[in-house]
Amino acid sequence: DADVTQTPRNRITKTGKRIMLECSQTKGHDRMYWYRQDPGLGLQLIYYSFDVKDINKGEISDGYSVSRQAQAKFSLSLESAIPNQTALYFCATSTPEGGGNTGELFFGEGSRLTVL
Amino acid sequence: AQSVTQLDSQVPVFEEAPVELRCNYSSSVSVYLFWYVQYPNQGLQLLLKYLSGSTLVKGINGFEAEFKKSETSFHLTKPSAHMSDAAEYFCAVSSGFQKLVFGTGTRLLVSP
Repeated sequence: DADVTQTPRNRITKTGKRIMLECSQTKGHDRMYWYRQDPGLGLQLIYYSFDVKDINKGEISDGYSVSRQAQAKFSLSLESAIPNQTALYFCATSTPEGGGNTGELFFGEGSRLTVL
Repeated sequence: AQSVTQLDSQVPVFEEAPVELRCNYSSSVSVYLFWYVQYPNQGLQLLLKYLSGSTLVKGINGFEAEFKKSETSFHLTKPSAHMSDAAEYFCAVSSGFQKLVFGTGTRLLVSP
């Protein structure tokens, strides 16, 4: 079983719908992240959380919200999806030393979202 | 602010040919540098990292990278490409403030 699990892996939805992408991890890491990947743009940080009570905006948080339900769970929501939110979304985790100081993020397999 | 430039969006090579994927960074402070690899339909995984010490860093699957501060570069190399190396490779930089900045990625295409 994967250490970082994302659901759903694929989702097609319509403009204006609310969407939630879920992430759960068994690595025991405190820090969790949501990234968005677009072709030719690399990865952009949406939100990150250093523990259950700590939520921070990333580079491109507009139109997104998150919830850290437990140490192991971090959800990303699109309250009203729009077509330019069509992308591949990744959840990642790290230890306190990782994520920047040592650079080791552990990624899920991604959730591909298409907004029509 | 930090930034990473991967000028090549695609690099085609033949099997057993050498590989070089280029990465240049910009930062006003000391940096940590990383290469990640993404195989089809998978998430990213760490290939190698430079934190301090020896500027030549060895990673998994025979890859290595050299940190050249004077050239602000961290190019990824491998002496001989395998078909299994076909993937997308991302360079990333951090100044230690706990957030990575990723480049736009380079797709390595390997032909027999």
